[in-house]
Amino acid sequence: QKEVEQNSGPLSVPEGAIASLNCTYSDRGSQSFFWYRQYSGKSPELIMSIYSNGDKEDGRFTAQLNKASQYVSLLIRDSQPSDSATYLCGVSSASKIIFGSGTRLSIRP
Amino acid sequence: EPEVTQTPSHQVTQMGQEVILRCVPISNHLYFYWYRQILGQKVEFLVSFYNNEISEKSEIFDDQFSVERPDGSNFTLKIRSTKLEDSAMYFCASTGTSGYNEQFFGPGTRLTVL
Repeated sequence: QKEVEQNSGPLSVPEGAIASLNCTYSDRGSQSFFWYRQYSGKSPELIMSIYSNGDKEDGRFTAQLNKASQYVSLLIRDSQPSDSATYLCGVSSASKIIFGSGTRLSIRP
Repeated sequence: EPEVTQTPSHQVTQMGQEVILRCVPISNHLYFYWYRQILGQKVEFLVSFYNNEISEKSEIFDDQFSVERPDGSNFTLKIRSTKLEDSAMYFCASTGTSGYNEQFFGPGTRLTVL
């Protein structure tokens, strides 16, 4: 059974600080890795995709991938109240994405 | 910006009834997906569809489920005889030229089975 594991949280971070979200996966053959943001009652919204080892930055977001350790992370710099949401780690497997259960992030003023 | 659309936003049905959930994927996308999310649980893959046929399906996607692309724009999920446990949010997603690329999700249909 291919698994994607995330700490469910909640993770509470002060406004303006860095939020760090982590994810591990079991399938060594996975090629594509995604971070989605999901507000309560809404659909997943793609934030970042990463395909090769290392860091990928997009604005306040940085995704990090380490295939040897089967580990993906997302850093959010200068956290804003609007970043409060559940963050889903997604890992490709054949033609589908397998999602973790999500980490609930709360940005406190 | 192109987006995936889904109708209806909320569907209430009686157990045993058939429902059809509709999706319009992004126009130049080639790969289409259905996922579901039971309240409080993770997003689960149901089925992927490419070149007018199912490319992969999960254990959830049993004989009660079917998918169809009846024309050049719509992509539908049919549940033949709904059960209470089918109550969930159903998300349609699409991606462009490769099944490994980013998938873009529609707003979802909340299905309530009474």
